[in-house]
Amino acid sequence: EPEVTQTPSHQVTQMGQEVILRCVPISNHLYFYWYRQILGQKVEFLVSFYNNEISEKSEIFDDQFSVERPDGSNFTLKIRSTKLEDSAMYFCAGGEGNTEAFFGQGTRLTVV
Amino acid sequence: GEDVEQSLFLSVREGDSSVINCTYTDSSSTYLYWYKQEPGAGLQLLTYIFSNMDMKQDQRLTVLLNKKDKHLSLRIADTQTGDSAIYFCAESRYGGSQGNLIFGKGTKLSVKP
Repeated sequence: EPEVTQTPSHQVTQMGQEVILRCVPISNHLYFYWYRQILGQKVEFLVSFYNNEISEKSEIFDDQFSVERPDGSNFTLKIRSTKLEDSAMYFCAGGEGNTEAFFGQGTRLTVV
Repeated sequence: GEDVEQSLFLSVREGDSSVINCTYTDSSSTYLYWYKQEPGAGLQLLTYIFSNMDMKQDQRLTVLLNKKDKHLSLRIADTQTGDSAIYFCAESRYGGSQGNLIFGKGTKLSVKP
């Protein structure tokens, strides 16, 4: 059964560095999302992406964040200058329509 | 603002039924979801219910929705040890769009043999 895959599973980075989290959605998905979960807190919506553009974003998704789907398969989340508080589990999700979303296993980002 | 609340823990014996409860605040939510997260894994979509329904059954899973009280529950019949996981309730924010889901903190279900 096809699944959403995310790489790396764990990323450690120094504060101020840029990170790129990668996701390979299921091939027939048209809607793509990033969520994050800070340890002990709720899963929070970051951004949704459809038709090669951002369709919705949350207050968390400020100028230090960006998303791309550069080659029609990968879907990436870039954090330009990481802060300690960006440490979290980042989940990519996708769906054929906008009523279901299938999540990847997540990338744990640790900012030191 | 919008919020989704769940109890944090539930413990049941194998073979019993589990009922996980959730309350939400956004009366305009169109879809409500249940996700399961096993240790080290992502969020697995279990089921979802459209807000004009009050019940949905899928094999061992039964979802009940009380829209008046903004209460959602997930019943797992004949709970097995493999059902041990964290279960998240979520509501859609913008009238049906999956894009902006509001999640609860999750209920950790422990199934004792």
